[in-house]
Amino acid sequence: EVQLVESGGGLVKPGGSLRLSCAASGFTFSSYSMNWVRQAPGKGLEWVSSISSSSSYIYYADSVKGRFTISRDNAKNSLYLQMNSLRAEDTAVYYCARDGIAVAGGWFDPWGQGTLVTVSS
Amino acid sequence: DIQMTQSPSSLSASVGDRVTITCRASQGISNSLAWYQQKPGKAPKLLLYAASRLESGVPSRFSGSGSGTDYTLTISSLQPEDFATYYCQQYYSTRTFGQGTKVEIK
Repeated sequence: EVQLVESGGGLVKPGGSLRLSCAASGFTFSSYSMNWVRQAPGKGLEWVSSISSSSSYIYYADSVKGRFTISRDNAKNSLYLQMNSLRAEDTAVYYCARDGIAVAGGWFDPWGQGTLVTVSS
Repeated sequence: DIQMTQSPSSLSASVGDRVTITCRASQGISNSLAWYQQKPGKAPKLLLYAASRLESGVPSRFSGSGSGTDYTLTISSLQPEDFATYYCQQYYSTRTFGQGTKVEIK
């Protein structure tokens, strides 16, 4: 069974840092691009960042560029999101999502269950 | 960046109704469009990709169409389990979601 499990969320003060992790299982992790998507409370979905299978290509939404860093460890089947200089508007559930297919599959499937990040003093 | 405009933002419908949701891209996206269903407290679920390809296991009452900048999700006969929020997403250039459409019970 394909599974994605996020961890690392929690309460952090404005200006602080947090590192999210996503553990993948049930598929060949090193063959797929991976993504982070977030959803603020009561709001819609917002794409955050994507990383290609070999980490050669990395993309960020303008709202997080320069503050967030996506990375992966194919040996550990894990995806990460380092979040620095956090702001109240970064408060959201953060989802890890795989690309739908290994090549040129830009849709997201499957998704993890999400981890809540709250930025508040 | 490509912007996605989804409409309506919400709608009320009855069981058995035909429901249509529209997504318009700020530039042509060559059918690089997916649709998701999300229920409260749950992760989104993929319904369709490549504008009209039904994901395995998704009921055939869901269908997608469109080309260029304009795309449509249709639910042919709304079922009780279909009351949820629906999102479109383009993957032609990076990724962008529409604002969502909440389908509520009339």
